[in-house]
Amino acid sequence: QSVLTQSPSVSGAPGQTVTISCTGGDSNFGAGYDVHWYQQVPNSPPKLLIYGNTNRPSGVPDRFSGSKSGTSASLVITGLQVEDEADYYCQSYDTSLKAVFGGGTKLTVL
Amino acid sequence: QVQLQGSGPGLVRPSETLSRTCSVSGDSISTSSQYWGWIRQPPGLGLEWIGSIYFSGSTYYNPSLKSRVTISVDTSKNQFSLKLNSVTAADTAIYYCARLLGNYGPVGLWGPGTRVTVSS
Repeated sequence: QSVLTQSPSVSGAPGQTVTISCTGGDSNFGAGYDVHWYQQVPNSPPKLLIYGNTNRPSGVPDRFSGSKSGTSASLVITGLQVEDEADYYCQSYDTSLKAVFGGGTKLTVL
Repeated sequence: QVQLQGSGPGLVRPSETLSRTCSVSGDSISTSSQYWGWIRQPPGLGLEWIGSIYFSGSTYYNPSLKSRVTISVDTSKNQFSLKLNSVTAADTAIYYCARLLGNYGPVGLWGPGTRVTVSS
């Protein structure tokens, strides 16, 4: 069972907006650690999508945005595209000084 | 352009030691504020943090694996390595080496990953 909790799946039609949630606790988000988000397509390593709660690396479209409040975080994808179909993982750290991942959310573009 | 390339056996027998090495090209492993780590992903499952290391040798391990894991760095070869001992079938996974942007930072760069199977 993952320390960070994500819904197993989410879906949306092209052009729509989807939100992927990540719930933590007092030992990670609540302790002030940032959330980072990754996108993983099949048979490839994850790719950094959002870092430091809200920041996009160079090359990531502004359709992807992140936020964090209290012990929860969200990834929002607007203008959904077929190529967005992938698994999405949140990641943070906790007071045991280890990195923790969410269980992943599978996004299906209908 | 920085690249990571893992190497090591793809098949390990139960109770033996899994060894992986990650070679870094395009950047010095001794660059300030960069940490180097190992992450694994069992077949069909999510990501699990194994641990990380700074070029000085400071290490940070997943408490659930700490008793079996050793991560080391060789600055002269621009490489870092993973050893996981007493493996079982539960250690079968894709093993990724990675570059972290700071000790509590994100994984900014992932190696391609290699499947390691534990089987007799």
